[in-house]
Amino acid sequence: EAGVTQFPSHSVIEKGQTVTLRCDPISGHDNLYWYRRVMGKEIKFLLHFVKESKQDESGMPNNRFLAERTGGTYSTLKVQPAELEDSGVYFCASSQGGTEYGYTFGSGTRLTVV
Amino acid sequence: AQRVTQPEKLLSVFKGAPVELKCNYSYSGSPELFWYVQYSRQRLQLLLRHISRESIKGFTADLNKGETSFHLKKPFAQEEDSAMYYCALYNNNDMRFGAGTRLTVKP
Repeated sequence: EAGVTQFPSHSVIEKGQTVTLRCDPISGHDNLYWYRRVMGKEIKFLLHFVKESKQDESGMPNNRFLAERTGGTYSTLKVQPAELEDSGVYFCASSQGGTEYGYTFGSGTRLTVV
Repeated sequence: AQRVTQPEKLLSVFKGAPVELKCNYSYSGSPELFWYVQYSRQRLQLLLRHISRESIKGFTADLNKGETSFHLKKPFAQEEDSAMYYCALYNNNDMRFGAGTRLTVKP
C-alpha cells in the first residue's frame, strides 16, 4: 500500500509568485489534513477535509491560501501570491477516521520564498 | 481551546541515561494524547498513544490528568533515539501538535 505522497519535495519561489502543493492520501482515507511547520515553531494545523468537503479550515492563515480536494482523492494547496513568511514545511496527513492508527503523514514539501 | 506545550526545544543526554521529554496540555474534556517522532530524513510517524498504554521502542508515556501532562520517558536512551519528538492532542477529528523537542543522544 502506497503511503501519503506529497509533491514537490522542495520548492523555491520568489515573493509574489504562485505555488501549488499536492498531496495524495492513502487510498480509502476520507480524512485529509494539511499542516505547516515554520522553523522552530509547532506543527500548525491548516485545514481538514472529509472527502471533498472542508470540515475545518480555521487554521488557514489568510485568503492567499486555497485548498481543494476535488473528487475526494488528492488535494492541492495553492499559495498566491506567496510571501516570505509562507516559508516552511507543509505536511499532509490522512486517516481513516478515529485514532487507532494515528495519522499517516507524507514526507512534506519544503517551501522557501525568497 | 486545546493547546499542547513542549517546554524544551532541545534535549541532550548520553547513551544509557534516562530521558524524559515533557508535554503539557490544556483541554477541557477528556484528552486523547499521542507522541509522534521524526527521525532524520524520515516521515513523521506515530510513536505511541496514551489509550493503548503500550511501550514502543522502550518509550512509555503516562497521562497525568491532575498535572495535565503526558511526558515521554525511556530509562536507557540509545543513539538511534535521536530525533524530533512531537506531543499531540486529538479531539473530534482534529490533531494539534506541540512545537517539538529535538532529542540528541550522545555516545
